[in-house]
Amino acid sequence: QKEVEQNSGPLSVPEGAIASLNCTYSDRGSQSFFWYRQYSGKSPELIMSIYSNGDKEDGRFTAQLNKASQYVSLLIRDSQPSDSATYLCAVGRMNTGFQKLVFGTGTRLLVSP
Amino acid sequence: ETGVTQSPTHLIKTRGQQVTLRCSSQSGHNTVSWYQQALGQGPQFIFQYYREEENGRGNFPPRFSGLQFPNYSSELNVNALELDDSALYLCASSFRGGDGYTFGSGTRLTVV
Repeated sequence: QKEVEQNSGPLSVPEGAIASLNCTYSDRGSQSFFWYRQYSGKSPELIMSIYSNGDKEDGRFTAQLNKASQYVSLLIRDSQPSDSATYLCAVGRMNTGFQKLVFGTGTRLLVSP
Repeated sequence: ETGVTQSPTHLIKTRGQQVTLRCSSQSGHNTVSWYQQALGQGPQFIFQYYREEENGRGNFPPRFSGLQFPNYSSELNVNALELDDSALYLCASSFRGGDGYTFGSGTRLTVV
């Protein structure tokens, strides 16, 4: 079992729709959860962080965390073609005084005009 | 506030050679982490430096080594390059290894 699992996609949605991206993780000791967006050939860009159960909203993005189910999701409302990218889920775990991020393989999102 | 800068942007090396990649961390950040991202994969943690000391390491062999300098900039050194070392190498800086990791633009290493 991979530590962080994501569906590789591609997830195709029309412009204006809601895109729902999902991630599960295996380590119950994980404490911090991040969503990064990565355009082709570019480096990851942090778009959301979440630390406690529930929802966290930032503009068109909502991150959802359910620690009991070991599940993190990202909702993108009013999807735009510019949202087309790979979305990486990362889980942070403290280990002897430092935090290590474990990434999933990413979900590719395609938003069609 | 300056971001994380990495150099060079692209590099081609021959198998068996050695390479040094450089990273300047974001202003105010004292922790630097290095990640390797192979094509189609998520970034994999290599190691982290805090106050010039390595304080965490992933599953990478000793031929991957690093340094952090007093100004918090960092180097990643890879000896005896192998074809599988071809990847995007990412530097991420943060304050005390907490949240808010900021990645640099990366160095694309190709080993032939």
